[in-house]
Amino acid sequence: DIQMTQSPSSLSASVGDRVTITCQASQDISNYLNWYQQKPGKAPKLLIYDASNLETGVPSRFSGSGSGTDFTFTISRLQPEDFATYYCQQYDDLPRTFGQGTKLEIK
Amino acid sequence: QITLKESGPTLVKPTQTLTLTCTFSGFSLSTSGVGVGWIRQPPGKALEWLALIYWNDDKRYSPSLKIRLTITKDTSKNQVVLTMTNMDPVDTATYYCAHRHYYYDSSGYYHRRDFHYWGQGTLVTVSS
Repeated sequence: DIQMTQSPSSLSASVGDRVTITCQASQDISNYLNWYQQKPGKAPKLLIYDASNLETGVPSRFSGSGSGTDFTFTISRLQPEDFATYYCQQYDDLPRTFGQGTKLEIK
Repeated sequence: QITLKESGPTLVKPTQTLTLTCTFSGFSLSTSGVGVGWIRQPPGKALEWLALIYWNDDKRYSPSLKIRLTITKDTSKNQVVLTMTNMDPVDTATYYCAHRHYYYDSSGYYHRRDFHYWGQGTLVTVSS
């Protein structure tokens, strides 16, 4: 199985801050990586696919980069509605695997 | 517009078999490249992929749960069914189904679209 190591596991930040989350795959996954946002009691919402492509309707303050084994997810200027948990997921191979999540909290 | 919705029991007893149904619209599971997957999430924990069924009836399972899982499709009803045997309290989770597909664009370039659309999820509690 491809292991997805996501960090940090939690993060405190303020509105307007720039935040970065990283995800490392245990082997080369090309650019087959999704980033999701999940709020309590809701299904994950896709933000970024193919490591760096913004899903339709997602604000441009969200971005992703990387390929191979190392990936980065950035929120350029945090908004109040961005406080949530974020997950990465690889879809290069089966079984599909997810990172452990990053809980973004208000400082 | 693609939508998916999970349904099934909210409470099952240990050792029982869980049967969940994903009813979808906006796509057909007879279209080449299309698939539906199941993912679960125990309360307060991370997401875990369970199974995937493709348009051609190819089926794939999580290695750690393979012996307990069965995934089937009913193309005429736009449904995918997941069964999980021998349920245990550790299987308490919200269970989601999600859409995936691959395709080739006009330039012949290959694209994968994994889990862009999800159902709302259904919470299953395993308790006696």
